[in-house]
Amino acid sequence: QVQLQQWGAGLLKPSETLSLTCGVYGGSSSVYYWSWIRQLPGKGLEWIGQINHSGSTNYNPSLKSRVTISVDTSETQFSLRLSSVTAADTAVYFCASASSGWHSSFYYYYMDVWGKGTTVTVSS
Amino acid sequence: SYELTQPLSVSVALGQTARVTCGGNNIGNKNVHWYQQKTGQAPVLVIYRDDNRPSGIPERFSGSNSGNTATLTISRAQAGDEADYFCQVWDASTALFGGGTKLTVL
Repeated sequence: QVQLQQWGAGLLKPSETLSLTCGVYGGSSSVYYWSWIRQLPGKGLEWIGQINHSGSTNYNPSLKSRVTISVDTSETQFSLRLSSVTAADTAVYFCASASSGWHSSFYYYYMDVWGKGTTVTVSS
Repeated sequence: SYELTQPLSVSVALGQTARVTCGGNNIGNKNVHWYQQKTGQAPVLVIYRDDNRPSGIPERFSGSNSGNTATLTISRAQAGDEADYFCQVWDASTALFGGGTKLTVL
């Protein structure tokens, strides 16, 4: 089963760009989507977006103007960039692999393997 | 936009059955997935596509989905089941999560 290990800067100043990377170990060829999710302090989960092996992306409309997700051609790692951060972007950021398809005429998409999370704090 | 509603908290006595609900308009027409998140840890998928358990998840965890409510059922609750539980669906090309339910085992 695929394992994910993530890294990146944990402390940013307002207006800087958040940059995180997620390394993929084992079984990448069986994964179709790579995704990023964040969890604001004391709150629930917010899906940021996804990328597939061909580089096609899909972003949460609430963050779309500031988000870029990319994947390297070998699919050994994928990355998140979030521009112009503010204190409201302070959160734990998770990378995850996702499975998707059609079942009983309904589309499904779920995150089956998660990274451990990276705490990102935005403060002046 | 589509919304998922979960109770903030559910309590269950040790060894009894806990039910965590996830409400949404005609949610029975969507595939619902459930995640368990223990304090300080990443979420773990416990149910996918309404009622399927990933490898390694105990049979005590089960799911159902019909009408406007999806339900995660945890039988014979153990102290180790204390966690936050989130439901998730796919809608309008976006993955949406419920607000989460804190399960307390008494």
